[in-house]
Amino acid sequence: DTAVSQTPKYLVTQMGNDKSIKCEQNLGHDTMYWYKQDSKKFLKIMFSYNNKELIINETVPNRFSPKSPDKAHLNLHINSLELGDSAVYFCASSHDGVTEAFFGQGTRLTVV
Amino acid sequence: SQQGEEDPQALSIQEGENATMNCSYKTSINNLQWYRQNSGRGLVHLILIRSNEREKHSGRLRVTLDTSKKSSSLLITASRAADTASYFCATGANSKLTFGKGITLSVRP
Repeated sequence: DTAVSQTPKYLVTQMGNDKSIKCEQNLGHDTMYWYKQDSKKFLKIMFSYNNKELIINETVPNRFSPKSPDKAHLNLHINSLELGDSAVYFCASSHDGVTEAFFGQGTRLTVV
Repeated sequence: SQQGEEDPQALSIQEGENATMNCSYKTSINNLQWYRQNSGRGLVHLILIRSNEREKHSGRLRVTLDTSKKSSSLLITASRAADTASYFCATGANSKLTFGKGITLSVRP
């Protein structure tokens, strides 16, 4: 069983479109995150949720809206996609937000 | 904001040699962790060292932490071609993990 799974793995879309990425963890963790990894491999935290509540929003544009229907799921919806949104997006989870994190396989988003 | 800064940015060694990677950070931490990322994959946790620990071992990995210098090092002994990957340090503090820019390690067979 995959611990943290996110879908889709690849996403190619045109500028201006709206898209969603889904993430699920079966580890029973309380904390889930979204990270963005750019072309230089720099990994930047976007959001952190603890037990369905948003606890960290790292100055991400309002076009990005996370949603956590329950503590096992954290989805990311992106409105009005821009070229600069092209990156690999990683979902991750951990027990308490600061200990070992488990990562999904990543979603490579390409905006054309 | 960027927390961890690894150096070197890239490292190329021969199989069997040891690889040493360094990480510096800026603020107080609960712990420091190292992760590996193979090409096209997610990050995999390698080892965690708490702020009150100075050294930790796990298999071929040895991590040190110097909180007075705000720095850590990761030593991989007897490297293998399969160790070729990107390595990231991450600091755990204030309910989040903050990652450095990563080090690309190439191990030549």
